[in-house]
Amino acid sequence: DAKTTQPPSMDCAEGRAANLPCNHSTISGNEYVYWYRQIHSQGPQYIIHGLKNNETNEMASLIITEDRKSSTLILPHATLRDTAVYYCIVRVVGWNTDKLIFGTGTRLQVFP
Amino acid sequence: NAGVTQTPKFRILKIGQSMTLQCAQDMNHNYMYWYRQDPGMGLKLIYYSVGAGITDKGEVPNGYNVSRSTTEDFPLRLELAAPSQTSVYFCASSHGRTNTGELFFGEGSRLTVL
Repeated sequence: DAKTTQPPSMDCAEGRAANLPCNHSTISGNEYVYWYRQIHSQGPQYIIHGLKNNETNEMASLIITEDRKSSTLILPHATLRDTAVYYCIVRVVGWNTDKLIFGTGTRLQVFP
Repeated sequence: NAGVTQTPKFRILKIGQSMTLQCAQDMNHNYMYWYRQDPGMGLKLIYYSVGAGITDKGEVPNGYNVSRSTTEDFPLRLELAAPSQTSVYFCASSHGRTNTGELFFGEGSRLTVL
Protein backbone atom coordinates (compact mmCIF):
# COMPACT_ATOMS: atom_id res chain seq x y z
CA ASP A 1 0.00 0.00 0.00
CA ALA A 2 1.27 3.44 -0.83
CA LYS A 3 2.27 5.60 2.12
CA THR A 4 2.20 9.35 2.44
CA THR A 5 4.58 11.73 4.19
CA GLN A 6 3.51 15.13 5.48
CA PRO A 7 5.14 17.76 7.68
CA PRO A 8 3.80 17.47 11.24
CA SER A 9 2.76 21.11 11.54
CA MET A 10 2.44 24.39 9.66
CA ASP A 11 1.35 27.93 10.38
CA CYS A 12 -0.54 30.30 8.14
CA ALA A 13 -1.73 33.89 8.53
CA GLU A 14 -5.44 34.47 8.17
CA GLY A 15 -6.36 35.55 4.66
CA ARG A 16 -3.22 34.07 3.14
CA ALA A 17 -3.00 30.91 1.06
CA ALA A 18 -2.13 27.75 2.96
CA ASN A 19 -0.05 25.30 0.92
CA LEU A 20 0.11 21.83 2.45
CA PRO A 21 2.60 19.43 0.83
CA CYS A 22 2.42 15.64 0.66
CA ASN A 23 4.84 13.03 -0.65
CA HIS A 24 3.51 9.73 -2.01
CA SER A 25 6.50 8.43 -3.95
CA THR A 26 5.28 4.79 -4.04
CA ILE A 27 1.86 5.57 -5.45
CA SER A 28 0.59 3.27 -8.18
CA GLY A 29 -0.88 4.42 -11.46
CA ASN A 30 -4.50 3.77 -10.52
CA GLU A 31 -4.38 5.10 -6.96
CA TYR A 32 -6.14 8.35 -6.15
CA VAL A 33 -4.90 11.00 -3.75
CA TYR A 34 -7.45 12.18 -1.20
CA TRP A 35 -7.37 15.01 1.31
CA TYR A 36 -9.39 15.10 4.51
CA ARG A 37 -9.30 17.33 7.53
CA GLN A 38 -10.20 16.78 11.15
CA ILE A 39 -11.29 19.62 13.38
CA HIS A 40 -10.82 18.90 17.09
CA SER A 41 -12.03 15.35 17.72
CA GLN A 42 -14.76 15.29 15.10
CA GLY A 43 -14.93 12.72 12.33
CA PRO A 44 -12.69 13.60 9.36
CA GLN A 45 -14.22 15.73 6.63
CA TYR A 46 -13.63 15.16 2.91
CA ILE A 47 -11.95 18.04 1.07
CA ILE A 48 -10.90 16.97 -2.40
CA HIS A 49 -9.36 14.16 -4.42
CA GLY A 50 -7.55 13.64 -7.73
CA LEU A 51 -5.71 11.16 -9.91
CA LYS A 52 -3.50 13.02 -12.39
CA ASN A 53 -4.99 16.40 -13.16
CA ASN A 54 -5.19 19.37 -10.87
CA GLU A 55 -8.57 19.72 -9.18
CA THR A 56 -10.47 22.60 -7.64
CA ASN A 57 -13.67 22.82 -5.67
CA GLU A 58 -15.30 25.32 -3.35
CA MET A 59 -13.00 24.38 -0.48
CA ALA A 60 -9.57 23.96 -1.99
CA SER A 61 -7.31 23.19 -4.93
CA LEU A 62 -5.20 20.09 -5.40
CA ILE A 63 -2.00 20.22 -7.41
CA ILE A 64 -0.47 16.86 -8.36
CA THR A 65 3.01 16.71 -9.87
CA GLU A 66 3.41 15.17 -13.30
CA ASP A 67 5.19 12.10 -11.90
CA ARG A 68 2.43 11.84 -9.24
CA LYS A 69 4.99 11.40 -6.49
CA SER A 70 3.79 14.43 -4.58
CA SER A 71 0.87 16.82 -4.27
CA THR A 72 -0.07 20.09 -2.62
CA LEU A 73 -3.37 21.08 -1.09
CA ILE A 74 -4.06 24.79 -1.38
CA LEU A 75 -6.53 26.68 0.79
CA PRO A 76 -6.63 29.98 -1.11
CA HIS A 77 -7.73 32.27 1.72
CA ALA A 78 -7.24 30.57 5.07
CA THR A 79 -9.56 31.47 7.92
CA LEU A 80 -9.35 30.69 11.63
CA ARG A 81 -11.92 27.94 11.07
CA ASP A 82 -9.45 26.16 8.80
CA THR A 83 -7.30 25.33 11.82
CA ALA A 84 -7.31 21.52 11.78
CA VAL A 85 -5.27 18.41 11.08
CA TYR A 86 -5.06 17.76 7.33
CA TYR A 87 -4.58 14.23 6.06
CA CYS A 88 -3.18 13.27 2.67
CA ILE A 89 -4.31 9.76 1.78
CA VAL A 90 -3.84 7.32 -1.05
CA ARG A 91 -6.91 5.28 -1.90
CA VAL A 92 -6.09 1.62 -2.48
CA VAL A 93 -8.51 -0.12 -4.85
CA GLY A 94 -8.37 -3.72 -5.97
CA TRP A 95 -10.49 -6.83 -6.26
CA ASN A 96 -12.83 -6.60 -3.27
CA THR A 97 -10.53 -3.97 -1.79
CA ASP A 98 -11.28 -0.29 -1.38
CA LYS A 99 -9.67 1.47 1.55
CA LEU A 100 -8.20 4.76 2.67
CA ILE A 101 -5.03 4.49 4.74
CA PHE A 102 -4.55 7.65 6.81
CA GLY A 103 -1.11 8.97 7.72
CA THR A 104 -0.20 11.18 10.64
CA GLY A 105 -1.33 14.41 8.97
CA THR A 106 -0.27 18.05 9.16
CA ARG A 107 -1.57 20.21 11.97
CA LEU A 108 -2.37 23.58 10.37
CA GLN A 109 -2.62 26.54 12.70
CA VAL A 110 -4.17 29.67 11.18
CA PHE A 111 -3.37 32.78 13.20
CA PRO A 112 -4.95 36.26 13.10
CA ASN B 1 -30.97 11.12 6.39
CA ALA B 2 -29.19 10.59 9.70
CA GLY B 3 -25.97 9.62 7.90
CA VAL B 4 -23.64 7.39 9.93
CA THR B 5 -24.79 6.72 13.49
CA GLN B 6 -22.51 5.26 16.14
CA THR B 7 -23.50 3.99 19.56
CA PRO B 8 -22.49 4.32 22.30
CA LYS B 9 -20.72 7.70 22.24
CA PHE B 10 -18.83 6.96 25.45
CA ARG B 11 -18.05 3.74 27.29
CA ILE B 12 -15.77 2.62 30.09
CA LEU B 13 -14.80 -1.04 30.17
CA LYS B 14 -12.86 -3.13 32.62
CA ILE B 15 -9.97 -5.26 31.40
CA GLY B 16 -11.26 -8.54 30.01
CA GLN B 17 -14.80 -7.35 29.35
CA SER B 18 -16.36 -7.55 25.91
CA MET B 19 -18.58 -5.15 24.05
CA THR B 20 -19.93 -4.25 20.64
CA LEU B 21 -19.74 -0.84 19.03
CA GLN B 22 -22.70 -0.31 16.77
CA CYS B 23 -22.60 1.49 13.43
CA ALA B 24 -25.54 2.09 11.12
CA GLN B 25 -25.88 4.11 7.93
CA ASP B 26 -29.04 5.05 6.05
CA MET B 27 -27.44 6.18 2.78
CA ASN B 28 -27.52 2.73 1.11
CA HIS B 29 -23.73 2.71 0.98
CA ASN B 30 -22.01 -0.51 0.02
CA TYR B 31 -18.69 0.16 1.73
CA MET B 32 -18.20 0.55 5.47
CA TYR B 33 -15.10 1.02 7.62
CA TRP B 34 -13.92 1.02 11.21
CA TYR B 35 -11.01 3.21 12.26
CA ARG B 36 -9.44 3.88 15.62
CA GLN B 37 -7.63 7.04 16.66
CA ASP B 38 -5.30 7.12 19.61
CA PRO B 39 -4.63 10.47 21.32
CA GLY B 40 -2.58 12.78 19.11
CA MET B 41 -2.34 10.22 16.35
CA GLY B 42 -3.86 9.64 12.93
CA LEU B 43 -6.58 7.14 12.10
CA LYS B 44 -5.78 3.45 11.77
CA LEU B 45 -8.01 1.15 9.73
CA ILE B 46 -9.26 -1.83 11.75
CA TYR B 47 -11.67 -3.62 9.42
CA TYR B 48 -13.68 -2.78 6.35
CA SER B 49 -16.46 -4.25 4.25
CA VAL B 50 -17.27 -3.81 0.56
CA GLY B 51 -20.73 -5.33 0.90
CA ALA B 52 -22.99 -7.51 3.00
CA GLY B 53 -21.25 -10.76 3.87
CA ILE B 54 -17.79 -9.47 2.87
CA THR B 55 -15.26 -8.18 5.39
CA ASP B 56 -11.50 -7.78 5.39
CA LYS B 57 -8.74 -6.81 7.78
CA GLY B 58 -7.19 -3.38 7.83
CA GLU B 59 -3.97 -2.25 9.48
CA VAL B 60 -4.77 -3.13 13.12
CA PRO B 61 -7.37 -5.94 13.28
CA ASN B 62 -6.04 -7.86 16.30
CA GLY B 63 -8.45 -7.94 19.22
CA TYR B 64 -11.47 -7.07 17.11
CA ASN B 65 -14.13 -8.84 15.08
CA VAL B 66 -16.73 -7.58 12.63
CA SER B 67 -19.73 -8.87 10.75
CA ARG B 68 -21.81 -7.43 7.94
CA SER B 69 -25.12 -9.22 7.69
CA THR B 70 -26.98 -6.22 6.26
CA THR B 71 -26.03 -3.24 4.09
CA GLU B 72 -26.98 -0.82 6.86
CA ASP B 73 -25.10 -2.22 9.87
CA PHE B 74 -21.45 -2.90 10.59
CA PRO B 75 -20.85 -3.72 14.28
CA LEU B 76 -17.36 -3.91 15.77
CA ARG B 77 -16.83 -6.48 18.50
CA LEU B 78 -14.13 -6.17 21.16
CA GLU B 79 -13.31 -9.42 22.90
CA LEU B 80 -11.28 -9.37 26.11
CA ALA B 81 -10.77 -5.62 26.27
CA ALA B 82 -7.24 -4.39 26.99
CA PRO B 83 -5.93 -0.93 27.99
CA SER B 84 -4.27 -0.69 24.55
CA GLN B 85 -7.76 -0.55 23.05
CA THR B 86 -8.48 2.76 24.76
CA SER B 87 -9.17 4.97 21.78
CA VAL B 88 -11.75 6.86 19.76
CA TYR B 89 -13.45 4.64 17.22
CA PHE B 90 -14.84 6.05 14.00
CA CYS B 91 -17.18 4.27 11.64
CA ALA B 92 -17.42 5.45 8.04
CA SER B 93 -19.25 4.53 4.87
CA SER B 94 -19.05 5.29 1.16
CA HIS B 95 -20.90 4.53 -2.05
CA GLY B 96 -17.98 2.52 -3.31
CA ARG B 97 -15.60 2.60 -6.20
CA THR B 98 -18.15 3.74 -8.76
CA ASN B 99 -18.47 7.07 -7.04
CA THR B 100 -16.03 9.62 -5.66
CA GLY B 101 -14.97 7.35 -2.83
CA GLU B 102 -15.73 10.07 -0.30
CA LEU B 103 -16.05 8.64 3.19
CA PHE B 104 -18.83 9.81 5.50
CA PHE B 105 -17.84 9.53 9.14
CA GLY B 106 -19.82 9.08 12.31
CA GLU B 107 -19.22 11.22 15.38
CA GLY B 108 -17.02 8.65 17.06
CA SER B 109 -17.23 6.36 20.07
CA ARG B 110 -14.84 7.07 22.93
CA LEU B 111 -13.77 3.91 24.69
CA THR B 112 -11.70 3.72 27.87
CA VAL B 113 -10.42 0.39 29.18
CA LEU B 114 -9.34 0.40 32.83
